[in-house]
Amino acid sequence: DIQMTQSPSSLSASVGDRVTITCRASQSITTYVHWYQQKPGKAPSLLIYSASSLQSGVPSRFSGSGSGTDFTLTISSLHPEDFATYYCQQTYSIPRTFGQGTKVDIK
Amino acid sequence: QVQLVQSGAEVKKPGASVMVSCKASGYTFTDSYIHWVRQAPGQGLEWMGWINPNTEITNYAQKFQGRVTMTSDTSITTAYMELKRLRSDDTAVYYCATSWAVGPFDYWGQGALVTVSS
Repeated sequence: DIQMTQSPSSLSASVGDRVTITCRASQSITTYVHWYQQKPGKAPSLLIYSASSLQSGVPSRFSGSGSGTDFTLTISSLHPEDFATYYCQQTYSIPRTFGQGTKVDIK
Repeated sequence: QVQLVQSGAEVKKPGASVMVSCKASGYTFTDSYIHWVRQAPGQGLEWMGWINPNTEITNYAQKFQGRVTMTSDTSITTAYMELKRLRSDDTAVYYCATSWAVGPFDYWGQGALVTVSS
């Protein structure tokens, strides 16, 4: 199975901060990585697909980069509604696997 | 618009089975895979498997092999996930989600809480 390791597991930030979350795969997955946002009590929602493509309707302050084994999700300027948990996921192989999540909370 | 509407919360005793449904609308049901993902309280996301409603071919995570069955009914555009021999650590919210082939999970159901308790 491909392991997806996110860092950090949690972070505290302020509105307006630039936030970067990283995800490392245990083997090369080219660009078959996707990022999700989950708010408490809600289903995850897709933010970024194929490493760097912005899902329709997602604000442009979200961006993704990387290929191979190392990937990054960046929020350029944190908005109040961005406080949530973020997950990376690989769809390169079965089983589909997720990172353990990064919780972004208010400093 | 694409919608996945899941069945309601369930409380089951250890050893019992549960079936969760996922009613799809707003797209061609046979064009996308349906995945099942679960999330234990306070924990991360765990993929359980997928079904291709067009072929009814399934692929289950090894952890759930022998305990899970995923089915679909194209006449009512509904997918089902049955989990047998429930244990207390199966207590979780169970989500269905759509994808095409190796694509991301682009639409999600609202989740169904399954509580396993004696």
